[in-house]
Amino acid sequence: EVQLVESGGGLIQPGGSLRLSCAASGFTVSSNYMSWVRQAPGKGLEWVSVIYSGGSTYYADSVKGRFTISRDNSKNTLYLQMNSLRAEDTAVYYCARASPSSGWYGFEYWGQGTLVTVSS
Amino acid sequence: QSALTQPASVSGTPGQSITISCTGTSSDVGGYNYVSWYQQHPGKAPKLMIYDVGNRPSGVSNRFSGSKSGNTASLTISGLQAEDEADYYCSSYTSSSTWVFGGGTKLTVL
Repeated sequence: EVQLVESGGGLIQPGGSLRLSCAASGFTVSSNYMSWVRQAPGKGLEWVSVIYSGGSTYYADSVKGRFTISRDNSKNTLYLQMNSLRAEDTAVYYCARASPSSGWYGFEYWGQGTLVTVSS
Repeated sequence: QSALTQPASVSGTPGQSITISCTGTSSDVGGYNYVSWYQQHPGKAPKLMIYDVGNRPSGVSNRFSGSKSGNTASLTISGLQAEDEADYYCSSYTSSSTWVFGGGTKLTVL
């Protein structure tokens, strides 16, 4: 069974750093396209970042230069390192898998989300 | 990376059909057949309902269908049911090797 479990969220002051983790089971992270998607309170979904199976990474303009996506193949875990956090980064962060069974470009599996609150 | 454009809300009565539109550009919706649709109930993670414009994942009701014409994609829900009341988001792959979501549409079943 495919499972994605995020952790690492919490309350952080503006300008601070946080690292989110997404532990995967039932499949191999490094063989799939893995993304982070966020949702600010009461707002819509916003795509944040992707790491492709080949290792290439891409980011939304809103986080470029501040966030870094990575994976640890030995732990089958996805990460999002978030630096220089701003109030507008406050959101529930989901990790999501785009899989062959969804044509590679649809996010078929999602975690439960982890809340990041940036506030002084 | 501008968000795709969706109507803020749509409504229908049980048994009716409704359609939600999703407008982008030639760099996303119009350039690729990689449009997806997601259903999200309050407090829950999104659920994939349609991928690659018109394909349904296993387990999704055939009351949900998708299509595309030019830079606009559409999600149609037929035989509307009370449990269909939720927020719906479209998403597209883009020419920048990224994804973009729509602003979301709140579906109310009257």
